[in-house]
Amino acid sequence: DQQVKQNSPSLSVQEGRISILNCDYTNSMFDYFLWYKKYPAEGPTFLISISSIKDKNEDGRFTVFLNKSAKHLSLHIVPSQPGDSAVYFCAASTPGYALNFGKGTSLLVTP
Amino acid sequence: DTAVSQTPKYLVTQMGNDKSIKCEQNLGHDTMYWYKQDSKKFLKIMFSYNNKELIINETVPNRFSPKSPDKAHLNLHINSLELGDSAVYFCASSQDPSGRVGDTQYFGPGTRLTVL
Repeated sequence: DQQVKQNSPSLSVQEGRISILNCDYTNSMFDYFLWYKKYPAEGPTFLISISSIKDKNEDGRFTVFLNKSAKHLSLHIVPSQPGDSAVYFCAASTPGYALNFGKGTSLLVTP
Repeated sequence: DTAVSQTPKYLVTQMGNDKSIKCEQNLGHDTMYWYKQDSKKFLKIMFSYNNKELIINETVPNRFSPKSPDKAHLNLHINSLELGDSAVYFCASSQDPSGRVGDTQYFGPGTRLTVL
C-alpha cells in the first residue's frame, strides 16, 4: 500500500532546461517531505526537504513546491545539468515514524 | 571517510542458506535503519533501531533479525533465504527517527543480495 507515489518512472530533459519531478501522497498526516537523489551503485543522498507549514523551499538550483490541498509536491531543477542524471526519490514522514519512499523517477539530462 | 558503510557489497547465495549483512556508521547518530529495495524499485523500511533498541519493525518475516551490538552498528541476519529475498538492502542512519531538518538520513551504498 504505497502512500507516496511517483507516477513517472523516467524523465528526459535537455541540459539548461527545467526538470520537474512530481510526487503525490495519500496520507494527510505526513508533515515533512524530502527528496533524495541516487546514483547507480550508491545509496540515496539527501537533496532538499520541506515542512508542511511551507509551500516552497529553495536551495540553489533546486526548489521543492508543496500543495497540501492536492497532496502533491514537485521538485524543480533549474537549469538542469548532465550531472543531475540520477534517480530521484520522494519521501514523506509523520513525527516519530520512518520515511515512506516513492519508487523513484529516473532523470536523464542530455547535453 | 565513509559515513555509512555496508559489507558485503554483493552477496550471492543459495536458497535455504543463512547470511548476514553488516552496517557501521561513524556519524555518531542514534538511529539506524534497514531498507529493502525490491525489483519494483520500492524502497521500504524494514527496521529501525534507536540507541540499540528496536523502534520500528515493518511486518518483516521473522527470518530477518537485526542485531545492534552498539549504536554505531546494525547488522542484518537472514535465515533460510528465499528467492524473494533477492533485493538491494540499504542501511541508513540519522539523529532523529523521522528525518527532520538537520537530521536527514544518510545511506550506505547498498548490498545486492541474489538468492539462487
